[in-house]
Amino acid sequence: AQTVTQSQPEMSVQEAETVTLSCTYDTSESDYYLFWYKQPPSRQMILVIRQEAYKQQNATENRFSVNFQKAAKSFSLKISDSQLGDAAMYFCASPVRTGANSKLTFGKGITLSVRP
Amino acid sequence: SAVISQKPSRDICQRGTSLTIQCQVDSQVTMMFWYRQQPGQSLTLIATANQGSEATYESGFVIDKFPISRPNLTFSTLTVSNMSPEDSSIYLCSVEQGAKNIQYFGAGTRLSVL
Repeated sequence: AQTVTQSQPEMSVQEAETVTLSCTYDTSESDYYLFWYKQPPSRQMILVIRQEAYKQQNATENRFSVNFQKAAKSFSLKISDSQLGDAAMYFCASPVRTGANSKLTFGKGITLSVRP
Repeated sequence: SAVISQKPSRDICQRGTSLTIQCQVDSQVTMMFWYRQQPGQSLTLIATANQGSEATYESGFVIDKFPISRPNLTFSTLTVSNMSPEDSSIYLCSVEQGAKNIQYFGAGTRLSVL
């Protein structure tokens, strides 16, 4: 089955430290993007970072970077220099093929808290 | 990225009534999506709405319960019909823009059914 798995329901990090959020996926798509979304208490889903599967270089957006291991179907998010505003729910997403189309499937999410 | 306005942001409704949620985008997009999210849970896709065609519903969701309109490339509505307390949830619209599968979301509608 094509799935997205986030096995850690909660994590906590000290302000200014680094934290890594794990995600594994399974897709039958051959050319695809992977995504991390952030959802703060305001519930707005915000695209944090995306990775093109055919690129070997890991994507980076300021303090956010990914560790993409295509063979292992692993796509973790590293947050450096954590800030209080990083506290949110984080979702990993992967496309899943359904017939002639594909749709995004989201993991269960992980709640990240940041300790001052 | 697209700017998406979703209305209402929240509502409290009585059992048996219907609520229509609006999603307005500041640019033309082909694909729009409607999701449901229970508090603290992941997103579940309700349907995909493409302009000029019938919406495509996911397993467990039917048009009679969640009718969708997509009159043009910048607007869509989702109606939650004959509501029950089990429909209490957050409803999110999103659009696909840029590369394949990249989605941008509205702020969501928090629905409570009494």
